[in-house]
Amino acid sequence: QTVVTQEPSLTVSPGGTVTLTCASNTGAVTSSSCPNWFQQNPGQAPRALIYRATNKHSWTPARFSGSLFGGKAALTLSGAQSEDEAEYYCLLYSGDSWVFGGGTKLTVL
Amino acid sequence: QVQLVQSGTEVKRPGASVKVSCKASGYTFTSFGISWVRQAPGQGFEWMGHINPYKSYTDYAQKFQGRLTMTADTSTTATTTFYIELTTLRSDDTAVYYCARDYDFAWGSWGQGTLVTVSS
Repeated sequence: QTVVTQEPSLTVSPGGTVTLTCASNTGAVTSSSCPNWFQQNPGQAPRALIYRATNKHSWTPARFSGSLFGGKAALTLSGAQSEDEAEYYCLLYSGDSWVFGGGTKLTVL
Repeated sequence: QVQLVQSGTEVKRPGASVKVSCKASGYTFTSFGISWVRQAPGQGFEWMGHINPYKSYTDYAQKFQGRLTMTADTSTTATTTFYIELTTLRSDDTAVYYCARDYDFAWGSWGQGTLVTVSS
């Protein structure tokens, strides 16, 4: 059974840069895992940010970017703003099913 | 951009069934699919399955096989309504159920979520 691991929490200063990562217990995360990233604010539905590792949606703020690095998927936020404080989830495709990470609580402080 | 609007809150007894809908509109091509996901209170997300009626394709997460049915109504022009039906409900099925556009391994728009509470 695939387990997807994210940092439970991270803190970034306003205007700063932070990278969230997404790892799989089955091995390196590659493009074939088709990583997707989502942002969720309390009480709201998730909002998709990144698909297939590096692609942004038309509504994704330019300060967010996705990559594959060191065997993990990564979401980088450059120039953090207070409204970026939220929970972030990654999603990987593994063995004919999708598996979510446990989420990273990002604090902008 | 595809808009997804889900049906309202449900309260069910253990052992009952629930059917949740997700109406899609605003799309310009009819070849996308929907994944269904749930989030238990204070918990993470669990993928339940995927349906693409335009490719006559469904894929169920192993955990839900036999208890979950995904369908779609494509009879109305410019909209498609997707459904999930979950049977033999238990208290641990209490969750917010979401539909999300899922095409070619790219997830996009999400519905607003439907709270299903299972309680005696």
